[in-house]
Amino acid sequence: DIQLTQSPSFLSASVGDRVTITCRASQGISSFLAWYQQKPGKAPKLLIYAASTLQNGVPSRFSGSGSGTEFTLTISSLQPEDFATYYCQQLNSYPSITFGQGTRLEIK
Amino acid sequence: EVQLLESGGGLVQPGGSRRLSCAASGFAFNNYAMDWVRQAPGKGLEWVSGISGSGDSTYYADSVKGRFTTSRDNSKNTLYLQMNSLRAEDTAVYYCAKVVYRNYPWVDGFDFWGQGTVVTVSS
Repeated sequence: DIQLTQSPSFLSASVGDRVTITCRASQGISSFLAWYQQKPGKAPKLLIYAASTLQNGVPSRFSGSGSGTEFTLTISSLQPEDFATYYCQQLNSYPSITFGQGTRLEIK
Repeated sequence: EVQLLESGGGLVQPGGSRRLSCAASGFAFNNYAMDWVRQAPGKGLEWVSGISGSGDSTYYADSVKGRFTTSRDNSKNTLYLQMNSLRAEDTAVYYCAKVVYRNYPWVDGFDFWGQGTVVTVSS
């Protein structure tokens, strides 16, 4: 199974900050990586797919990059509604997919 | 507007069974693979099962293989998850999700999710 490791697991930041979350895969997954945002009590929301393609309706302050084994999600200027938990997901071995363990982003 | 509406969750005794449903609308249901993802209380996301658009192919995580069965009725635009021999560790919110394709048939993510249905396995 392909393992995904996100870092950091916890991030404290302020409104207006630029933040980056990293996701590392245990083996190459080309660009079959997606990023999700989840708020408490809600379903995950797709932000980025194919490593860098912004999902329709997602603000442009979100961006993704990477290929192979290392990927990043960047939020260019944090907004109050961005405080949530973020997950990466690999689909290279679909249907056997895996998620990262999550990164909890909190207000400093 | 794409909508996915799960139902069927509840309290089940260990060893018991439960069937979840996911009613889909707003897209050509039979053209898309569908998946189930679960989230145990306070934990991360875990992929459970997937099914092709035609329903001919199904896939399962090792943790549920042999106990859970995914099916779909494309005439009713509904996805199902039959859960048997339930264990305490199956306690979770269960989500159904629609896949997104950049280049069919390669799946690039899950673009729509249901609201989730809670399954609690306890005596």
